[in-house]
Amino acid sequence: QKEVEQNSGPLSVPEGAIASLNCTYSDRGSQSFFWYRQYSGKSPELIMSIYSNGDKEDGRFTAQLNKASQYVSLLIRDSQPSDSATYLCAVIMYNNNDMRFGAGTRLTVKP
Amino acid sequence: EAGVAQSPRYKIIEKRQSVAFWCNPISGHATLYWYQQILGQGPKLLIQFQNNGVVDDSQLPKDRFSAERLKGVDSTLKIQPAKLEDSAVYLCASSLGAGLQETQYFGPGTRLLVL
Repeated sequence: QKEVEQNSGPLSVPEGAIASLNCTYSDRGSQSFFWYRQYSGKSPELIMSIYSNGDKEDGRFTAQLNKASQYVSLLIRDSQPSDSATYLCAVIMYNNNDMRFGAGTRLTVKP
Repeated sequence: EAGVAQSPRYKIIEKRQSVAFWCNPISGHATLYWYQQILGQGPKLLIQFQNNGVVDDSQLPKDRFSAERLKGVDSTLKIQPAKLEDSAVYLCASSLGAGLQETQYFGPGTRLLVL
């Protein structure tokens, strides 16, 4: 099992729809989780961090964490074409205090 | 506020050659990271510095990669000798405080192609 797994996509949604991005992780003791957005040919930029079970909302973005299921997700409401990018899930692994990234999910929002 | 600066932006070398990348973090940021991002993969943390000390280099291939952060400001990452599989984007990031929970700001990256 990979330490951080994401569906590679591509995930395609129409403009205005909700995009749902999922991530699972292997280290049950991990406590810190991050979502980064990476436009093609650009560097990652942090969208959200989440540390507690439940939902965390920031504008159109909602991160959801379920530590029992070792699952973290990102919902993008009212998706816009400008949201088209690769979304990277990152986890600070408890066993070695190291940050590990998933391979990313490529999202395309069609006008 | 200026962001993280990296140079060069692109580099093409032949295998077995040496190459060095430079990074200047955001002013005042204590922690500096080097990542390797191979096409189609997420970034892989190679080394983390806090000021001029190494915090974590567990994923750095030490037989060919080296990094330093003299004076706790800018940093260089070197590969000697390069292999084909080193072709990747090398990203530098910095954060204000210590700890991986701190927000990391990434530079534009250096794209390396090893032929």
